[in-house]
Parts: sequence; structure tokens; C-alpha cells
Amino acid sequence: DTGVSQDPRHKITKRGQNVTFRCDPISEHNRLYWYRQTLGQGPEFLTYFQNEAQLEKSRLLSDRFSAERPKGSFSTLEIQRTEQGDSAMYLCASSLNTRYNEQFFGPGTRLTVL
Amino acid sequence: TQLLEQSPQFLSIQEGENLTVYCNSSSVFSSLQWYRQEPGEGPVLLVTVVTGGEVKKLKRLTFQFGDARKDSSLHITAAQPGDTGLYLCAGSSGGYQKVTFGIGTKLQVIP
Repeated sequence: DTGVSQDPRHKITKRGQNVTFRCDPISEHNRLYWYRQTLGQGPEFLTYFQNEAQLEKSRLLSDRFSAERPKGSFSTLEIQRTEQGDSAMYLCASSLNTRYNEQFFGPGTRLTVL
Repeated sequence: TQLLEQSPQFLSIQEGENLTVYCNSSSVFSSLQWYRQEPGEGPVLLVTVVTGGEVKKLKRLTFQFGDARKDSSLHITAAQPGDTGLYLCAGSSGGYQKVTFGIGTKLQVIP
């Protein structure tokens, strides 16, 4: 399967714990995005990488959130000191650096903070 | 801030009926994508429209981009239960083509 993959698919954690999610984009895609989606809403942009450079972060991304893409391939999203409000689906997408920026999504990681 | 409004938010129809869902904005987009998302999964890209007035067909689905590139519609002919899902529109603009998503239309097709 050469699509975008995310790991884990589901994560249940207690409030205050740290969690880390991984995204492996389509191999030739140089752009990588993280989104958060809550029930009944569309995906909300969190952050964007072009190769290994993080070029934009949403105001939604508090200091407890950090994302990396160390070698311009896979990316990790870490949430420190999780809160119940962090419960959501975290989606990763990748795209080629083309004019129309069609994004291809992974299956998401469902986070539940108890 | 670019906003995309989708309507209706919920739609429940019988198999075989036709339907149209809408995606509207006050902003101009250089391209607009439609995605379909099933519960617990990521969105799957259906189509990209880029030219004002453009019409694209994907089997029973017809997508149209408004002349001013501010709005779009998705028409489904003879809906089937397999069409059930959340339909999201997403507009791209800006230097690196930041994508803004609408809230989605949740479609249920009843057999």
C-alpha cells in the first residue's frame, strides 16, 4: 500500500500524559500536513511542512503541541500534558508541490483523553 | 480568514433519489476539492476543480465550480447506499496553497 499511513489508529490516554503520533506520507510527496477533526466538524489545519521545514503553525497549536519532520520523510506529532479537550481525530495528509496542492489523507489517529 | 459554508449539513434520502449539496464562500479560491469521508477514516479525494464554470463528472457525481471560483456544487444522481458519508469541500489559495475545509454535509442514503 503506497498511501499515507498513520500510527497508531487509536490511542486512549489519561489526562496529563504525553502522546506521540506518527505519519508516513506518500514517498514522493514533499508537503505534509497535520489536521485535527472533532465530531461534526471538518478538518482544522494544525501545521504544515515542506520537506523538513515547518512553514506554518495554526494558532490552534498550543505550546503543548509539537511536530517534527526530521528527514523530510515521516513526521511525528507530540502532545504533552494531554487534556480532555485534545480528544479528536488527528489526520495527516501529504501532497506534491504542484499548483493545485491535492492532498491525500491517512486514516487518522483517534485520540481519547480520559 | 477564509470560510467555506456547506449546505445542507445533514441530508437523509431514499435510494434512487437525486440530491445537490453546496459549498459557498466569499473568498476566491484557485482550486477547490471535494472529499468523501466515512466514519473513523480519513477523507478520500473525489475531484479537484480549478477553472470558473468547470464541470466534472465522476460516474453519478457531477461537480461544478462557480464562475467566480467562490462556490461549488455536488450533484448525485440516483443515490445509492454506498454514497453514504460525509462530503467535504476544501478550497486552496495562497502561496503554498493552504487548504480550508468546510464543515461537511452528512449524507445518509436509505435502501
